[in-house]
Amino acid sequence: GQNIDQPTEMTATEGAIVQINCTYQTSGFNGLFWYQQHAGEAPTFLSYNVLDGLEEKGRFSSFLSRSKGYSYLLLKELQMKDSASYLCAVIGVRRAGTALIFGKGTTLSVSS
Amino acid sequence: GAVVSQHPSRVICKSGTSVKIECRSLDFQATTMFWYRQFPKKSLMLMATSNEGSKATYEQGVEKDKFLINHASLTLSTLTVTSAHPEDSSFYICSARDAGTGIFDEQFFGPGTRLTVL
Repeated sequence: GQNIDQPTEMTATEGAIVQINCTYQTSGFNGLFWYQQHAGEAPTFLSYNVLDGLEEKGRFSSFLSRSKGYSYLLLKELQMKDSASYLCAVIGVRRAGTALIFGKGTTLSVSS
Repeated sequence: GAVVSQHPSRVICKSGTSVKIECRSLDFQATTMFWYRQFPKKSLMLMATSNEGSKATYEQGVEKDKFLINHASLTLSTLTVTSAHPEDSSFYICSARDAGTGIFDEQFFGPGTRLTVL
């Protein structure tokens, strides 16, 4: 079966660092994505990992361990605008038209 | 960057009517488009995979006769919700994969369509 788990909600304060974890069990693995989604809007791409290790992009970093079926998204210097839902998504078996499998999302609330 | 548009952005209709939602890739060709549905505070649930020139592949539990998908060209896919009922009210999002993309399987999302069935 396919399963992606992430915490439902997290809270943090402005300027802090927060780590959102994601564990996955899928039939095959061909990459993991993190998306940000504000309420009522479409998801926007944050990061993509296909090899083990850390990918850094500005205030956001994403880590992947394929052997552990584990990823995290690290947000530094939190800002109020970072309050959103963060979606972990995996591409499992590669075949034509393979869709992303989404976790349920983590709602992050940033307070001042 | 790659842009995907959806039309309409919001639609309110009466129960029993049909609603068509368009998804367009504006600056790239998309052999594959995906349709998702999202209920409030829930994640995206894949409804179907739309392949240009062939029948859509529906996920388990999604009624193909109720949610008609047509992918007539490399830049357009449509989702028609037939005989809509209040329980069909949801946020519908499409995404498209760039046919020219190699290993990187990034999907580009449309802005979504908010459907409210009265």
